[in-house]
Amino acid sequence: DAGVIQSPRHEVTEMGQEVTLRCKPISGHDYLFWYRQTMMRGLELLIYFNNNVPIDDSGMPEDRFSAKMPNASFSTLKIQPSEPRDSAVYFCASSFVTSPLTFGPGTRLTVT
Amino acid sequence: GNSVTQMEGPVTLSEEAFLTINCTYTATGYPSLFWYVQYPGEGLQLLLKATKADDKGSNKGFEATYRKETTSFHLEKGSVQVSDSAVYFCALRAQGGSEKLVFGKGMKLTVNP
Repeated sequence: DAGVIQSPRHEVTEMGQEVTLRCKPISGHDYLFWYRQTMMRGLELLIYFNNNVPIDDSGMPEDRFSAKMPNASFSTLKIQPSEPRDSAVYFCASSFVTSPLTFGPGTRLTVT
Repeated sequence: GNSVTQMEGPVTLSEEAFLTINCTYTATGYPSLFWYVQYPGEGLQLLLKATKADDKGSNKGFEATYRKETTSFHLEKGSVQVSDSAVYFCALRAQGGSEKLVFGKGMKLTVNP
């Protein structure tokens, strides 16, 4: 298995632009998580899905952030409009029932 | 709510030194406990886990024992190597709860030759 796949690996954009991050979970995994990592706040859970349904989005910082999972093999995290304080590494992770989470390599986002 | 508190570092050790990274948790019941490691430029990888009291997780020379009485899951290694330089995260999953993990803030370890 190729593991959790994220794209792009790096994204540099200007303030106000729309940013879309993509994730392909491990085949057969029924949970998908989006985390954000910054020096100040560490790892924060933004949202997670079970069987493509959002279960808990209480970590989504504000309405500028949205996440979708249209099918079992694809999810997106969108920021519109982006702001410099959104600069962080965004991780996608997936798991099956009670298995440990498997993380993707992350997307490093820089908003100038 | 559930939480994890761990040493934040950064910590610098010499090769072959003994390593301990403290981790304590707050949760009801018997959560599952994990240590994840993040090497530079990479995502987090599971290092070891324990799912019930007194369980010992081990991997790559690292060990951690689930201590219910002290609500702790300290990570230890007897002799660190330069290749162990990374950020280490302690995490818990609530008993009978959702699948999400609650992470500590992570501790950066640098091992010098």
